[in-house]
Amino acid sequence: SQQGEEDPQALSIQEGENATMNCSYKTSINNLQWYRQNSGRGLVHLILIRSNEREKHSGRLRVTLDTSKKSSSLLITASRAADTASYFCATEPRRDTDKLIFGTGTRLQVFP
Amino acid sequence: DVKVTQSSRYLVKRTGEKVFLECVQDMDHENMFWYRQDPGLGLRLIYFSYDVKMKEKGDIPEGYSVSREKKERFSLILESASTNQTSMYLCASSSSPRDEQFFGPGTRLTVL
Repeated sequence: SQQGEEDPQALSIQEGENATMNCSYKTSINNLQWYRQNSGRGLVHLILIRSNEREKHSGRLRVTLDTSKKSSSLLITASRAADTASYFCATEPRRDTDKLIFGTGTRLQVFP
Repeated sequence: DVKVTQSSRYLVKRTGEKVFLECVQDMDHENMFWYRQDPGLGLRLIYFSYDVKMKEKGDIPEGYSVSREKKERFSLILESASTNQTSMYLCASSSSPRDEQFFGPGTRLTVL
């Protein structure tokens, strides 16, 4: 069963612009994580935000979490061509803490 | 740095063959996971393991089995490969189910 769904499915921007991706989920969670995947490769963990946190920063990344709306957003500021990748949210459901449930991803293309 | 390695990047097999996908991690992680990734469906959990000789079914275990004889190694087995098992297979490990997962580079399996 899919917990998270990202929006938009695809996003194209110019270098220097900001990119915002959204994730919606269905059930209560303990935490939400964002991952990045370069084409044809494994996923790399970017950031984890816990259910009692509202915002978290890491370098050019800013993640927000709104548990009342069951949604999260990932903002990449001052994007670079090297940010071109797919981005996935993953949730740890509160009632099923054994595993993460991944969304379908947002494909980001940053043009130089 | 955590390293998760998978035995093959690309694999081509014939329908009915028995297929072994190997995954090794070097960080003494308790938890290991096998996912498959298909376009539009994101990552789906096949099996996971909390400890040696222990395994749990994920969301799509049908047609697969796993083996974990040693802590660092988690194998995915396709007993009789079918064309609908053509996919990207990703292995991951983590110190705790709640924490970030570290992924291998993936194996792209084609079943003819």
